[in-house]
This record gives sequence, C-alpha cells and structure tokens, in this order.
Amino acid sequence: GEQVEQRPPHLSVREGDSAVITCTYTDPNSYYFFWYKQEPGASLQLLMKVFSSTEINEGQGFTVLLNKKDKRLSLNLTAAHPGDSAAYFCAVINQGGSAKLIFGEGTKLTVSS
Amino acid sequence: EAAVTQSPRNKVTVTGGNVTLSCRQTNSHNYMYWYRQDTGHGLRLIHYSYGAGNLQIGDVPDGYKATRTTQEDFFLLLELASPSQTSLYFCASSDARNSDYTFGSGTRLLVI
Repeated sequence: GEQVEQRPPHLSVREGDSAVITCTYTDPNSYYFFWYKQEPGASLQLLMKVFSSTEINEGQGFTVLLNKKDKRLSLNLTAAHPGDSAAYFCAVINQGGSAKLIFGEGTKLTVSS
Repeated sequence: EAAVTQSPRNKVTVTGGNVTLSCRQTNSHNYMYWYRQDTGHGLRLIHYSYGAGNLQIGDVPDGYKATRTTQEDFFLLLELASPSQTSLYFCASSDARNSDYTFGSGTRLLVI
C-alpha cells in the first residue's frame, strides 16, 4: 500500500528564515495531497489541499509544491515566525476508493525570535 | 456548525480494562475514521466506516474493535487495554467525493 515518508522529523529556524518540509510517497495513483498543522494539545488544522493537477499552490506565508514525477510534496514557509512553531503533517489519498488519508511521520518545527 | 465531537477528552484505565471512545459528527458525511497518533509515526488508521453498520479494517487494527451505529456515531472499543495502546486518538469524518476531512479534538488515553 501507499507509504509516505516525511523529512526532517525536527526543524529549527530563526524568525524570518524559510523552512522546508518534504514528503515522498510511493503510489503514483495518489491524487489528493494535504498539509496539516498541529499546535500543542490541539487537533489538526488544514493548511492546504492540493489536487494532483496543480503543481504550485500559494497560501498565506507558505507555498506547496507537488512534483508528480518524483512523487514529492513540499511545504515551504517563506518567512517563518514564532507562531509557525508547531507539528506539520503531510497526507495523501490515492485512488483505492476508501478515501483513506495516509500520513507522513510529522515534522516538529521550532521558530526562534 | 458542522463538527466532529469526541468523548472523553482524557481517559485513564488499567491494563486489561475495557474502554470505549465515542465520536459524533454533524457533517452528514458518509465516511468516519479512527486514527491513533504517536510520536515518530504520524497518524495511523485503525478502523473506518462507509456508513451505519459498515466497518473496514485500517492499517493498525490489532487490539481494537469499532462499531458504526448510525450515520453520526462511530465508537472505538478496547476490550483488553494494554500499555501499548496509550496514545492520542483522533476521529474524523469525510465527504469522500470532495475529500473534505474534519477532525475531532482528540482523546488522550493512558493505560497503566
């Protein structure tokens, strides 16, 4: 079945720096891709949902890139601030029909001021 | 407001104990899911359901049962709890056509 690998597990950056988190997946039939943010003690907050036909997606303060050829999904926080400190998870859905979200292992991001 | 509500928020039980985690959604979604979250593993799917009376096995089902009694309600049952089941559990619902997921606030379970 689909496997999703997320790197790095921990990331520390200074305020104003960029932070990049990358996921690779194995199933070429995956067609929906997600990035979630989880603050301590909280549930998952959807940052962005990307459909497989779209390669570059811009949100507020971040960009999501999808490279279908390499089966790679990345989240780039362009100018991180302390409020971005949280755990981030990628997730994918493939065409298996069950609409199961398969998650990466997560990245704990710390942004220092 | 459409939502996924989990109860209890926190639960402590002893090894061998019987635990039921509850989840209710008001999104009119067909699909519901139970995940567990552990450091280094992300969220892993335990069981899921397409609708009332339906149950599908997820990726880490051992030691868990589930039951979907209505469109709204999905329960996770641990009949002989073990310390390895100490975890943070999330319920979610989705409209599979649009892949719009809604997550509950989580239940933190400690098995001592």
